[in-house]
Amino acid sequence: EDQVTQSPEALRLQEGESSSLNCSYTVSGLRGLFWYRQDPGKGPEFLFTLYSAGEEKEKERLKATLTKKESFLHITAPKPEDSATYLCAVQGLSNFGNEKLTFGTGTRLTIIP
Amino acid sequence: GAGVSQSPSNKVTEKGKDVELRCDPISGHTALYWYRQRLGQGLEFLIYFQGNSAPDKSGLPSDRFSAERTGESVSTLTIQRTQQEDSAVYLCASSWQTNTGELFFGEGSRLTVL
Repeated sequence: EDQVTQSPEALRLQEGESSSLNCSYTVSGLRGLFWYRQDPGKGPEFLFTLYSAGEEKEKERLKATLTKKESFLHITAPKPEDSATYLCAVQGLSNFGNEKLTFGTGTRLTIIP
Repeated sequence: GAGVSQSPSNKVTEKGKDVELRCDPISGHTALYWYRQRLGQGLEFLIYFQGNSAPDKSGLPSDRFSAERTGESVSTLTIQRTQQEDSAVYLCASSWQTNTGELFFGEGSRLTVL
């Protein structure tokens, strides 16, 4: 069974203070690892897909990286509008073709002005 | 709008009643998913529809849960004889591109069972 563990559960940062969120996963052959952002009362919004160890993706102040056991979401010089819950999800090879994703419980990020 | 639309946004019901939740996917998206998000827990896969193929119902927690989809459009998730543990946000997502993990989610239907 695919498993995803995210840490920390919550993180408070001052505006401009860079940090990283962690996503550890166990999967029977990784098909893809995905990062989503979720604002309160909204559905998750897709950010990145990573397919293989060593891969990196960037979008504005966010950069996602992937190893064989975990992924990091690096946030550089964050702004208050980056405050959200960040979700990590994986798709294992056993779920190839149906896009069933296994989600972690998320990291709630708060950026203080 | 052009996004995934869900209704109702909020539903309060009494234990034992049936509820129906509706999802309008993005036009042209052939794949449609239902997920459940309980407070403090990760999103839980419920069911997946892809075109005219048989749906993947492997995530439905009990036979009180069922879902239908009309062609490649509207889907309805039905929960019969609701229980308090069914209280959650039910999220619908659609996708046009397979195996990218890029799902477009609606804002969800918040179900509260008293």
